[in-house]
Amino acid sequence: NAGVTQTPKFRVLKTGQSMTLLCAQDMNHEYMYWYRQDPGMGLRLIHYSVGEGTTAKGEVPDGYNVSRLKKQNFLLGLESAAPSQTSVYFCASSPSGTLIRELFFGEGSRLTVL
Amino acid sequence: DAKTTQPTSMDCAEGRAANLPCNHSTISGNEYVYWYRQIHSQGPQYIIHGLKNNETNEMASLIITEDRKSSTLILPHATLRDTAVYYCIVRRTSGSRLTFGEGTQLTVNP
Repeated sequence: NAGVTQTPKFRVLKTGQSMTLLCAQDMNHEYMYWYRQDPGMGLRLIHYSVGEGTTAKGEVPDGYNVSRLKKQNFLLGLESAAPSQTSVYFCASSPSGTLIRELFFGEGSRLTVL
Repeated sequence: DAKTTQPTSMDCAEGRAANLPCNHSTISGNEYVYWYRQIHSQGPQYIIHGLKNNETNEMASLIITEDRKSSTLILPHATLRDTAVYYCIVRRTSGSRLTFGEGTQLTVNP
């Protein structure tokens, strides 16, 4: 079982460049999330989705866009990368939030913006 | 979702029980307590959750006080591989979001 897969795992960008992080899950989960984690800090929610075609803002959405065109994929985009977006990004998924379920996390994508 | 307070760090001897406290004094009736851990910058891993009764699984036990304002995660026989950051999270029954705080860095010493 692949679970939650993030690509790429590492990326270095220059300020102003754009990129997309892909999260794919094979568990038929309704909910998907993007978090970022800065050194020595907990995870902060960027955006999330409660189903195909839906997205919602989390705690720190500025500078990011997301899309959920297919149920199994959740894309996180940076249109114009800034050094403040240097972080480790984690994707997670879970079954419907109306049930008490756990989140399943990917292994993270480490992004450096120079 | 209610806010949680955890100690920044704790130490535990290998083979001993590790007791990690969490304060959630503003928890409401429809909010569950979840525990996750994160080992060395890997993706967080679910441990256990509960509402008001004590819970136990193969990884840990969760003790929730009667007033539900605090809880304790117990790792009965800590090993070196249990060294991690442990997050206590409160989440509504129908909530779609999981909000992580700073967590507790548990270090298990040989």
